[in-house]
Parts: sequence; structure tokens; C-alpha cells
Amino acid sequence: GAGVSQTPSNKVTEKGKYVELRCDPISGHTALYWYRQSLGQGPEFLIYFQGTGAADDSGLPNDRFFAVRPEGSVSTLKIQRTERGDSAVYLCASSSRGAGHNEQFFGPGTRLTVL
Amino acid sequence: ILNVEQSPQSLHVQEGDSTNFTCSFPSSNFYALHWYRWETAKSPEALFVMTLNGDEKKKGRISATLNTKEGYSYLYIKGSQPEDSATYLCAFWGGGADGLTFGKGTHLIIQP
Repeated sequence: GAGVSQTPSNKVTEKGKYVELRCDPISGHTALYWYRQSLGQGPEFLIYFQGTGAADDSGLPNDRFFAVRPEGSVSTLKIQRTERGDSAVYLCASSSRGAGHNEQFFGPGTRLTVL
Repeated sequence: ILNVEQSPQSLHVQEGDSTNFTCSFPSSNFYALHWYRWETAKSPEALFVMTLNGDEKKKGRISATLNTKEGYSYLYIKGSQPEDSATYLCAFWGGGADGLTFGKGTHLIIQP
């Protein structure tokens, strides 16, 4: 079956612009996570959805970052007024259930570059 | 802030040799420890999810052990092959509604 997909694979934008990153989880997976990996670091948690609702958004760095999952499937991570420090690989993962003792299936990531 | 440390940061190993590396994590509020393999231009792939102290898991030539009392896990690769070249990430879950806390990874290069 299809794995987790993310689009675009690469995004180059200018400082101050708005970007949207999309994640298509594995069909039927209720849990969806967004992580961000900056250069030289491990992936860092941003937000966790259980179904349509954000169960935990404590990892979002500031109010320029927002994510939605309106129908409990596809999720979009939105970044307003991008800054150079937002440059990173944004990873999405899904899981059949929430709770961190379940395997998470990752997409290939979106590499965001803010010039 | 949770501290998940991996060592070494990078490792060069001759093809055919065996190797191992370490993940250390908080020994309190432990619920699960994950290992992932991330090859360049691919998605991170789950290797193991470990929950019990003393757990040992094996997948082909790769195995892992878990010590939750002292807060460490080892990943072993036996008879390294070029296709084992990847970054190996460990991730800790402390039972909250948030996601996993990852280490920075061990970058493994197998030299033919």
C-alpha cells in the first residue's frame, strides 16, 4: 500500500513569504505528527493530530506556524512571514493509533529553504 | 527539556565488520524507545519500538537492547554491508500527548 507522502519535496521561498506544506498519511491512520529537522539536529516535534483535532501543538515555535487536518486525513502545515531560521526539513509521520509506543511511518520530508 | 544523546556522531566501518552505537535517554517517565534508519533521499524507516527493560529485538543483522533503569539502548549491526550506510536515529517517548524526542543520530558509513 501507499506510504506517507509529502508535497512539495523541495520549496524555496523568500523571507517574508507564506508557505504551505502538505502531508498525505497512510489511509486509516488516525494519528499524524509533524516534525522539523534543522541542520545538525535530530527531528524536533511540532504538532500531533488525533483525527481532526490537534491533541498537542506545544512544539510549534511561534504563532507564525499553524497546521490543520480538517477531514482527519490530509494535513497542511502553514508558515506565515517565513524567516531564514525556518529553513529545515519538515517531516510528517502517521500511526494507526496515537501514543508513542506505536510505530510511526514517516514521509520523505519537504526541504524548505528561505532565502 | 528531555535530553536524548547518541554517540558517536559519525562512524566509518569496514564492510564485513560489526559495529554498535549508543542512545542515552532519561530513565524517569520511560514509556518507549524507538530506533529509525534514515537513508539519504528516503523516508526514515522504523527498526524497533522497545518498551520493556531488558528487551532485546532483532531484525536480520541488526539488533537492539534496552536498559530503562540506567537509560541507555545499544544498536548492533553484524557483518556491515554498504546498504547499512545511513543515519540511525533513536527517539524517546515519555508518555505525554506530544511526539517523540529524537537524538541527533549516528551517521554510519560502510567502506567497501
